[in-house]
Amino acid sequence: DGGITQSPKYLFRKEGQNVTLSCEQNLNHDAMYWYRQDPGQGLRLIYYSQIVNDFQKGDIAEGYSVSREKKESFPLTVTSAQKNPTAFYLCASSLGRDRGTEAFFGQGTRLTVV
Amino acid sequence: SQQGEEDPQALSIQEGENATMNCSYKTSINNLQWYRQNSGRGLVHLILIRSNEREKHSGRLRVTLDTSKKSSSLLITASRAADTASYFCATDAVKTSYDKVIFGPGTSLSVIP
Repeated sequence: DGGITQSPKYLFRKEGQNVTLSCEQNLNHDAMYWYRQDPGQGLRLIYYSQIVNDFQKGDIAEGYSVSREKKESFPLTVTSAQKNPTAFYLCASSLGRDRGTEAFFGQGTRLTVV
Repeated sequence: SQQGEEDPQALSIQEGENATMNCSYKTSINNLQWYRQNSGRGLVHLILIRSNEREKHSGRLRVTLDTSKKSSSLLITASRAADTASYFCATDAVKTSYDKVIFGPGTSLSVIP
């Protein structure tokens, strides 16, 4: 079955540590996205990628980094520079430019700073 | 730079009633989408309406789009307790150099059995 998988489901980070959230899709989608969701809030775009080896900053990219070395994978690193990282992180993918922006979402990673 | 905004922020109805949520946006769009999110889960795509369409149906869902008013509505008919969730509209701006889908803050729907 095709889909998009995020791992881990829960992640705890000590202050000052970098952590990496995994996102893998087998839908053959070109575009991938990372969103952050805070309690009772909508989704804010962190980074997005239209194609392998290319990515763009979203609205709240500071303190985050990404890579897109493979079409299937779009990991997100939350760095120590992100001062308030506790949130629910959602990864999504879509066919991409000119082919469709209907997004398929993973089940999310809940990150907590301890 | 929030493109879409839903209202109301929260809606509580009795099972069997209809639920209407609205979305307003700021710039011209290619299409508008509605998603549902159950608590603590990812979003699920419900329906997409293109900028040249005015109304679209899918089961108990009816979506309208008024590009002159830059607004859309999602109607859920004969609501069920299982419809309890947050509903988001998402828009993509008319062609720029990149694809970017922007979500509104959502409407939290509670359907009381």
